[in-house]
Amino acid sequence: NAGVTQTPKFQVLKTGQSMTLQCAQDMNHEYMSWYRQDPGMGLRLIHYSVGAGITDQGEVPNGYNVSRSTTEDFPLRLLSAAPSQTSVYFCASSRGGSADTQYFGPGTRLTVL
Amino acid sequence: SQQGEEDPQALSIQEGENATMNCSYKTSINNLQWYRQNSGRGLVHLILIRSNEREKHSGRLRVTLDTSKKSSSLLITASRAADTASYFCATVAHYKLSFGAGTTVTVRA
Repeated sequence: NAGVTQTPKFQVLKTGQSMTLQCAQDMNHEYMSWYRQDPGMGLRLIHYSVGAGITDQGEVPNGYNVSRSTTEDFPLRLLSAAPSQTSVYFCASSRGGSADTQYFGPGTRLTVL
Repeated sequence: SQQGEEDPQALSIQEGENATMNCSYKTSINNLQWYRQNSGRGLVHLILIRSNEREKHSGRLRVTLDTSKKSSSLLITASRAADTASYFCATVAHYKLSFGAGTTVTVRA
C-alpha cells in the first residue's frame, strides 16, 4: 500500500494564479481531510469529506475549494493564490472519521509570491 | 481553533534520557491522540487514548490521560537520536479533531 500520496512536493505560485494540490489514498478510507501547517500554529483544518460526493468546510476554508468524486481522490484547489496561503499542506485519511487515527501524506510546500 | 496546547515548546535531552511532554486542553474530549513529525515529513500516529482510559503504552512510549485536570502526557523512555522530531497532541471533542502547536524534541548524541 502506498498509503496517502500528495503531489506536487513543492510549488511556487504568483499571486492570483490558481492550482490544484492532488491527494490520493489506497486504503479505502471514507474520511479525508486537508490541513495547512504554519509555524507555531499547529495544523488547521481546511476542508474535509466523509465520503464520495460529500464535503464540508473546516476551520480555515476561505480561498480553497474541494471535491470528492471518488473514494480515492480528494484534490484541493486554490482559486486565486495569495501570499497568506504560503504554507505546508497535508492531506489525511482515516477509516473511522475525525475521531479515528489519521494517516497523513508527505505534504506539499507551497510558496505564493 | 487550537484545543490542545503542548508544553514545553522545545526540549533538548541526551541520548538515553527520558523525554516528557504535556498537553492541556479546555473542553471534554472523546479521545486524545499523539503524533510525531520528523523534519519535512508528514505526521505519523503514535497513540490514541480514549476518554475512559488513563494510561496506554506502545514500545518506549507511555501516554497518560487525566480528564479531571484536562491534561495528557507523553513519555519517551531511553531516547534515541531517531526520536528527534516534533510531537503533537490532537484532541477530539464533539468529533472534531484539533491539533496543538507541538513540542520540538532534540536528542543529542
